[in-house]
Amino acid sequence: AQKITQTQPGMFVQEKEAVTLDCTYDTSDPSYGLFWYKQPSSGEMIFLIYQGSYDQQNATEGRYSLNFQKARKSANLVISASQLGDSAMYFCAMRLTTTGNQFYFGTGTSLTVIP
Amino acid sequence: DTAVSQTPKYLVTQMGNDKSIKCEQNLGHDTMYWYKQDSKKFLKIMFSYNNKELIINETVPNRFSPKSPDKAHLNLHINSLELGDSAVYFCASSQSPGLATDTQYFGPGTRLTVL
Repeated sequence: AQKITQTQPGMFVQEKEAVTLDCTYDTSDPSYGLFWYKQPSSGEMIFLIYQGSYDQQNATEGRYSLNFQKARKSANLVISASQLGDSAMYFCAMRLTTTGNQFYFGTGTSLTVIP
Repeated sequence: DTAVSQTPKYLVTQMGNDKSIKCEQNLGHDTMYWYKQDSKKFLKIMFSYNNKELIINETVPNRFSPKSPDKAHLNLHINSLELGDSAVYFCASSQSPGLATDTQYFGPGTRLTVL
């Protein structure tokens, strides 16, 4: 069963605008972590931001913020003031305490920033 | 200093050959992983080792054999390479098992092309 769902295969955003990349997850575990990674065309996987299931506040890292809505099981990534360098694939991932080391990845969203 | 490194970055080989990919992490992490990313960018976990012990072994042909000489290294050996093995292989590491808050860091990837 799909544990992480990213429904937007491709997104476009104007430079300097904000964009939201959707991610929903499926688990009944009370303890889990949610992560976003960026994969530019050069291929490396870059960790962006993390949200713990018990965290009361939404995570923020610079221009990245994670809109965590626990009841809706969503963990959307918000990128503010988009830059051309933000053009990349973005992956949402989840880690469950019960499965120890297993990370579950979504299928990714390709973001293109238009000048 | 590179946190998670892989060699080689590119590997082009003929069908039927045997090849190895090496991975090293200098983060002091206990857990290491191998992932396969196919042409559609889907990331699939293959193996996970914690302190040199195999703890995740997904449904992967037994032509793939991981080896962890110590907790800082996890190598991937592939026998009798097939066309379908062409992909990008990522090594990753994280601090410890069982912690949902634990972030996973990726190596730069090895692009394997089987001719």
